[in-house]
Amino acid sequence: DAGVIQSPRHEVTEMGQEVTLRCKPISGHNSLFWYRQTMMRGLELLIYFNNNVPIDDSGMPEDRFSAKMPNASFSTLKIQPSEPRDSAVYFCASGREGVGGELFFGEGSRLTVL
Amino acid sequence: KQEVTQIPAALSVPEGENLVLNCSFTDSAIYNLQWFRQDPGKGLTSLLLIQSSQREQTSGRLNASLDKSSGRSTLYIAASQPGDSATYLCAVRRGWETSGSRLTFGEGTQLTVNP
Repeated sequence: DAGVIQSPRHEVTEMGQEVTLRCKPISGHNSLFWYRQTMMRGLELLIYFNNNVPIDDSGMPEDRFSAKMPNASFSTLKIQPSEPRDSAVYFCASGREGVGGELFFGEGSRLTVL
Repeated sequence: KQEVTQIPAALSVPEGENLVLNCSFTDSAIYNLQWFRQDPGKGLTSLLLIQSSQREQTSGRLNASLDKSSGRSTLYIAASQPGDSATYLCAVRRGWETSGSRLTFGEGTQLTVNP
């Protein structure tokens, strides 16, 4: 059983560049979450999708961040333009709503913005 | 607003010792509580999920308990091994509604098991 798959695992970019992070949830899961982890703030929820529809995006820091889920097997998180303070590990997690609610996390995408 | 606290922040024990990690939360209206472990540079691995109607869950050497009314959960690790060294996180979830869908995480307990 493949878990949640994220790419890239590591990304180093310069300030002002566009960054796109990708996530493939576990097949059959109908909820998808994007989290950000930093030493200072711990794990923060950015956005939550249910059945491909964004339900809660109150954690998205500002308009530079956007997320899409065009189908049940793919989601992207885009940062444009990127800033050094966006440097963090971004995690994608998926689960099956209505069936216990257990979440499974990917390995994360470590973003460094210079 | 839900707040989750984990005590201790760090713990170092000799191999073979039984240990308890603590998690407390301020709002007892939770849907479930999940324990994770995170190894350095890795993602979160789900260890145990306890529904609000349950009192405990067990998996191998791990046992997690939940006392919803007092806002507490414990993770018991029996016969600890060096491979158990990791950061352990607890997270609570309120429900399906918009604001409740998020997991609220504690800051974690960093466990080191010395050979």
